[in-house]
Amino acid sequence: DIVMTQTPLSLSVTPGQPASISCKSSQSLLQSDGKTYLYWYLQKPGQSPQLLIYEVSSRFSGVPDRFSGSGSGTDFTLKISRVEAEDVGVYYCMQGIQLPLTFGGGTKVEIK
Amino acid sequence: EVQLVESGGGLVQPGGSLRLSCAGSGFTFSNYWMYWVRQAPGMGLVWVSRINSDGSSTVYADSVKGRFTISRDNAKNTLYLQMNSLRAEDTAVYYCARGGRLGDYWGQGTLVTVSS
Repeated sequence: DIVMTQTPLSLSVTPGQPASISCKSSQSLLQSDGKTYLYWYLQKPGQSPQLLIYEVSSRFSGVPDRFSGSGSGTDFTLKISRVEAEDVGVYYCMQGIQLPLTFGGGTKVEIK
Repeated sequence: EVQLVESGGGLVQPGGSLRLSCAGSGFTFSNYWMYWVRQAPGMGLVWVSRINSDGSSTVYADSVKGRFTISRDNAKNTLYLQMNSLRAEDTAVYYCARGGRLGDYWGQGTLVTVSS
């Protein structure tokens, strides 16, 4: 199974400041079709997960442009350019290149 | 508007069975692969199972293989998860998710509690 490792475990951010979350996979997520199957989800308190970013850097419909994803191979980053109060929750990365799908352990983002 | 609504969760004794349902609306259900993902209390997300669009191909996590069965009824726009031989460690919120952009839409979840 592919192991997904997220850091940090938690993040406390002042509103308006940037935030960055790292995700590393134990194997390359680059598929032979040229796509890299790395996804980012946000689970707000008491809610189900919601897709933010698919295939490393594509924002899903309705996701604000303050969210951006980058990386390649086995190293990936989610950045929030200016954190807002509504961004609190747990962020998960997930690999979709092979089954079983596996998630990172999550990064809890709080507002200072 | 895409909607996924799970139902069927509840309290069940160890060794018991439960069938979860996930009703889809707002999209052509039969075009999409579907997934079940679970989340134990206070824990992270764990993939459980996947089914392709016509139901001919299914895959399971090792932890549920042989005990859980995923299926779908495209005429009813509904995904199912039959759970047998339930164990305490199966206690979790179970989410169904659409496989468009791999988890682009999720249901609200249904809680399964396995306890005597």
